[in-house]
Amino acid sequence: SQQGEEDPQALSIQEGENATMNCSYKTSINNLQWYRQNSGRGLVHLILIRSNEREKHSGRLRVTLDTSKKSSSLLITASRAADTASYFCATRGFSGGYNKLIFGAGTRLAVHP
Amino acid sequence: SAVISQKPSRDICQRGTSLTIQCQVDSQVTMMFWYRQQPGQSLTLIATANQGSEATYESGFVIDKFPISRPNLTFSTLTVSNMSPEDSSIYLCSGKGGVDTGELFFGEGSRLTVL
Repeated sequence: SQQGEEDPQALSIQEGENATMNCSYKTSINNLQWYRQNSGRGLVHLILIRSNEREKHSGRLRVTLDTSKKSSSLLITASRAADTASYFCATRGFSGGYNKLIFGAGTRLAVHP
Repeated sequence: SAVISQKPSRDICQRGTSLTIQCQVDSQVTMMFWYRQQPGQSLTLIATANQGSEATYESGFVIDKFPISRPNLTFSTLTVSNMSPEDSSIYLCSGKGGVDTGELFFGEGSRLTVL
């Protein structure tokens, strides 16, 4: 099964700095999504980028997708302490795998005041 | 968006027992999924809960160990049977909405500790 690999595994920054997380995957995808998980909570959907899109913005979030390299990046600008969480990429495939989301290993982000 | 409620939120269980986790959605969802997340790890898909029929299990997961029910479009249960300490994990219910925006909605998870 396709499995996203994310790097870095952990990222520690100061408030106001930008945070960049990367995700790579193995097979063709229909779309790629990013989710946030606060400690001890469920996942919250952040943004979805389709395979025919290259870049997408939502507030302080910027996502890029390079299907030729099978990789994506999530940029959080002007980070805040409240952004401290784990961030996961998830890929959605085609046909039999269309309805399933396969999650990457995740990046643990710590934003220090 | 859909709001998903799970219970129990956490439990401590004895080896060899079984526990059923309930998942309730506040609106109809087309598909429901059960994931497992071991502490500090990513999510692994256990199965797709199909309404009125047997769940579709992923490789490595079997019905005898993780029986799943989905009697209607807003409710599902996952049972973890004959538990061992290796089953200690967070179990997450998720759903995909009727209007396919592509995203999944997640419950808060059920944290099981097996002694």
